[in-house]
Amino acid sequence: EAGVAQSPRYKIIEKRQSVAFWCNPISGHATLYWYQQILGQGPKLLIQFQNNGVVDDSQLPKDRFSAERLKGVDSTLKIQPAKLEDSAVYLCASSMREGSVYGYTFGSGTRLTVV
Amino acid sequence: GQQLNQSPQSMFIQEGEDVSMNCTSSSIFNTWLWYKQEPGEGPVLLIALYKAGELTSNGRLTAQFGITRKDSFLNISASIPSDVGIYFCAGLNYGGSQGNLIFGKGTKLSVKP
Repeated sequence: EAGVAQSPRYKIIEKRQSVAFWCNPISGHATLYWYQQILGQGPKLLIQFQNNGVVDDSQLPKDRFSAERLKGVDSTLKIQPAKLEDSAVYLCASSMREGSVYGYTFGSGTRLTVV
Repeated sequence: GQQLNQSPQSMFIQEGEDVSMNCTSSSIFNTWLWYKQEPGEGPVLLIALYKAGELTSNGRLTAQFGITRKDSFLNISASIPSDVGIYFCAGLNYGGSQGNLIFGKGTKLSVKP
């Protein structure tokens, strides 16, 4: 079974620039999550999708971050404009259904450096 | 919000030694999970615990779900160099929109051959 695919693996941008990350979940997984992992911390949820609808975006800084999952499969996360404190690894995860740990799988992440 | 306190922050041990780490929470969880993360990779699930008091093993790893549902520990027996990595505890609550994991800050394990 293919895992959660993310791209790019690394990205370096200047502050105030824009950046987008892409995630393709495991086939058949209805729930998709974006997490932010700052160096030395555990991952923190940014947004959760169930199919193509947003379930929880309470921790997403909506003034600069946006995410979509238009067809209920792959998803993009965008930051515009980026700040220095956005430097982190952005992890995508998917699971078979909401609230289930079964099959809950993380991708390898995108490491973002804002300079 | 919910927070998990994980300790110790880091451990430096000799190959063959046993390791113990724990996690406490200010609130209860329905499920406790332990993950391992290696450099450049996402967290990988090691053990999932679903019931208060449950003790579960996975090879050399043993984890327990505390009776109060507010804590968990992970033991690694007879450590080997490939155990090196960061170990995270995470809590999960079922129901409604609470499908996201709450993570601790991690325990960084170094094993000296």
